[in-house]
Amino acid sequence: EAGVAQSPRYKIIEKRQSVAFWCNPISGHATLYWYQQILGQGPKLLIQFQNNGVVDDSQLPKDRFSAERLKGVDSTLKIQPAKLEDSAVYLCASSLANRVSTDTQYFGPGTRLTVL
Amino acid sequence: DAKTTQPPSMDCAEGRAANLPCNHSTISGNEYVYWYRQIHSQGPQYIIHGLKNNETNEMASLIITEDRKSSTLILPHATLRDTAVYYCIVRVNTGNQFYFGTGTSLTVIP
Repeated sequence: EAGVAQSPRYKIIEKRQSVAFWCNPISGHATLYWYQQILGQGPKLLIQFQNNGVVDDSQLPKDRFSAERLKGVDSTLKIQPAKLEDSAVYLCASSLANRVSTDTQYFGPGTRLTVL
Repeated sequence: DAKTTQPPSMDCAEGRAANLPCNHSTISGNEYVYWYRQIHSQGPQYIIHGLKNNETNEMASLIITEDRKSSTLILPHATLRDTAVYYCIVRVNTGNQFYFGTGTSLTVIP
């Protein structure tokens, strides 16, 4: 079974530029998550989708970050404009379904963003 | 916010058992404990999870205390490839959100 796919793996941009990350979850997984992981810290949840609807985006900086999952499968996360403090690894995860007692999340390899 | 407390680092000799503790004193009765690990430059990898009873799979064992306020992840025969950051997470049931802490950096020593 293929895992969670993410691209690109690495991205370097200058501050105030825009950037987008792509995620393809495990086939059949209804729930998709985006996390931000700053160096030395654990991952922080940014947004959670159930199919193509947003379940939780309380920690997403909405003035510059946006995410969509239009057809309930692939998802993109965008930053516009980027700031130096956005330098981090952006992780995508997926799980079968929400509100299930043993719903395990599976993570992709992440995209490492460097903002100069 | 993370609902768990873990030591920041631990060492373990290769071939010995690695015992990683986690405190989750505010856990609710229906919240699960999950363990993940993250090897450098990779995404977190699922290891094991449990509710009340001890659990074992091909990777590890999870021991949860009777009052559920703490747990221990056991890697029975640590290898160099087990060197990683290990995260203990209490899963929020209402939305399946995971709140990661800073984890325990385990170093397996030859």
